Amino acid sequence: KAGVTQTPRYLIKTRGQQVTLSCSPISGHRSVSWYQQTPGQGLQFLFEYFSETQRNKGNFPGRFSGRQFSNSRSEMNVSTLELGDSALYLCASSLREGRKNTEAFFGQGTRLTVV
Amino acid sequence: KNQVEQSPQSLIILEGKNCTLQCNYTVSPFSNLRWYKQDTGRGPVSLTIMTFSENTKSNGRYTATLDADTKQSSLHITASQLSDSASYICVVSGVDYKLSFGAGTTVTVRA
Repeated sequence: KAGVTQTPRYLIKTRGQQVTLSCSPISGHRSVSWYQQTPGQGLQFLFEYFSETQRNKGNFPGRFSGRQFSNSRSEMNVSTLELGDSALYLCASSLREGRKNTEAFFGQGTRLTVV
Repeated sequence: KNQVEQSPQSLIILEGKNCTLQCNYTVSPFSNLRWYKQDTGRGPVSLTIMTFSENTKSNGRYTATLDADTKQSSLHITASQLSDSASYICVVSGVDYKLSFGAGTTVTVRA
């Protein structure tokens, strides 16, 4: 079955702009989590959605937001982009929310560069 | 302070040799520990998931061990191959199911 699909793969934006990233989870998976990965900070949790509701949120400013649709697809939006937002944004899907041993499957990521 | 510390930060090994990566964590209470492999420019791929009651788990040439008492885990790579060159990330889940990530160990396998 198809894996987690993230679009676009690469994106270049200028400071002050806003951007929307998309994630389609594995068919049947209802939980989608978003992560930011930078060389200096490693992987950092942004937020998790399950059944169209945000269930967990990391320590990121309000410029970072997301949503999940009824088909479990999720979008992440970053407004007023800053140079420091340049990173690899990863999406992971899981079968269920927060279950102990539910494996998370990651997409290829979207490489965002802010200039 | 990061609750998951990995060592070494990077290592270089010759093809065919073995290596061991370390992960120390302070996450408590603890639910499970996962090891992921991330190739450059790609998303992480799960290697193993262990609960506190599991001491060891293997996935091909990868063997993970867990000592929940000392809060330490290791990932052993046997007979390394060039395709093992990647970043290996230790991820610990607390009972609140929030994930804490290590910074990763970058492994370079040379012919």
